Amino acid sequence: QKEVEQDPGPLSVPEGAIVSLNCTYSNSAFQYFMWYRQYSRKGPELLMYTYSSGNKEDGRFTAQVDKSSKYISLFIRDSQPSDSATYLCAIAGGTSYGKLTFGQGTILTVHP
Amino acid sequence: EAQVTQNPRYLITVTGKKLTVTCSQNMNHEYMSWYRQDPGLGLRQIYYSMNVEVTDKGDVPEGYKVSRKEKRNFPLILESPSPNQTSLYFCASGKQGMNTEAFFGQGTRLTVV
Repeated sequence: QKEVEQDPGPLSVPEGAIVSLNCTYSNSAFQYFMWYRQYSRKGPELLMYTYSSGNKEDGRFTAQVDKSSKYISLFIRDSQPSDSATYLCAIAGGTSYGKLTFGQGTILTVHP
Repeated sequence: EAQVTQNPRYLITVTGKKLTVTCSQNMNHEYMSWYRQDPGLGLRQIYYSMNVEVTDKGDVPEGYKVSRKEKRNFPLILESPSPNQTSLYFCASGKQGMNTEAFFGQGTRLTVV
């Protein structure tokens, strides 16, 4: 079983839609949960990170972590064409702070 | 400007010919790491380093070597490249771990023929 599972999509939505991206993970030792965004031909960039359970909001983006069900989510409100990218969930803080494990990534396209 | 710099950006090589991909960061970060990205498999960690002369294997270390002789540099070495190492490679650095924010380079697209 992979440590992190993410539906690769692709996901296509109209501008203004609410987007929900999700991942599940298998090891309850992980404490740090992150979402990265990757534009075509670029390296990933951190969007948000959360320590332990709970919600975190930053503008149009909300990250949720439910450790009891090992489920992490990213919500994008009022989606824009500029949000079109690959979104990667990542987990860290298991055996080492150097280890960072990513999901497969979900390709999102927001149509004008 | 804070950045992680990889070189080269594109590389085509032949099977068995040793190569090195360089990575340098100017943020004085303790942690550095290498990843490969393949369609359908996402980003997979190859090696990481917690500090100078301290390295550890990630999830897919076979066929790769690394060294961390200076804090800012973390080269990736392929002693005998094979076609299954054709991939997009990313270097990343993190201040006190990869668990809060990792800064990624622009990537190196490697093709082994």
